Amino acid sequence: DVKVTQSSRYLVKRTGEKVFLECVQDMDHENMFWYRQDPGLGLRLIYFSYDVKMKEKGDIPEGYSVSREKKERFSLILESASTNQTSMYLCASSPIQGNTEAFFGQGTRLTVV
Amino acid sequence: AQRVTQPEKLLSVFKGAPVELKCNYSYSGSPELFWYVQYSRQRLQLLLRHISRESIKGFTADLNKGETSFHLKKPFAQEEDSAMYYCATNVITGGGNKLTFGTGTQLKVEL
Repeated sequence: DVKVTQSSRYLVKRTGEKVFLECVQDMDHENMFWYRQDPGLGLRLIYFSYDVKMKEKGDIPEGYSVSREKKERFSLILESASTNQTSMYLCASSPIQGNTEAFFGQGTRLTVV
Repeated sequence: AQRVTQPEKLLSVFKGAPVELKCNYSYSGSPELFWYVQYSRQRLQLLLRHISRESIKGFTADLNKGETSFHLKKPFAQEEDSAMYYCATNVITGGGNKLTFGTGTQLKVEL
């Protein structure tokens, strides 16, 4: 059974805090992604990575950074959390080949107060 | 840049009625297109992809390059089809695969 696991289901953080969201996959996938999911806005790509230490900006990278030190782990970092970063965050992974399925984590509901 | 557009936020149909969820894409090359579905309290999962040309749970989607569309269809809606549906496109860049999604359509099947 393929697995993408996000470290927390729910998080509450204060404005200005540094926040780490962790994602681990056990399928040896090259690609990993971070999205935020908001009603009416769908899934918006924050960052993606195709290899260890490689990262690419998605469509809304501002206020976020990422780290990929190991193939199986992709971390999303909010350097200084703000209330407009309150959202559902989804991690996904997929093989490097095109036209393949992406597998998603269960999501982390982050609330910034 | 590649983009997919889903014009409907909500689609409500009666059980047994036909369903069509619209998706239009903008990409100059050969697109890789997918439909993903998220049932209540479940993870987002792949429903189907254009390259497979298969029917999953009674759903089909045909790529129409002339209209740049990839609409999702089902002839007879069932209650269990109620879910959030996302159209997605994947572009292979020099930096890997960029998988982007539309804004989603909530399908509600009423009895």
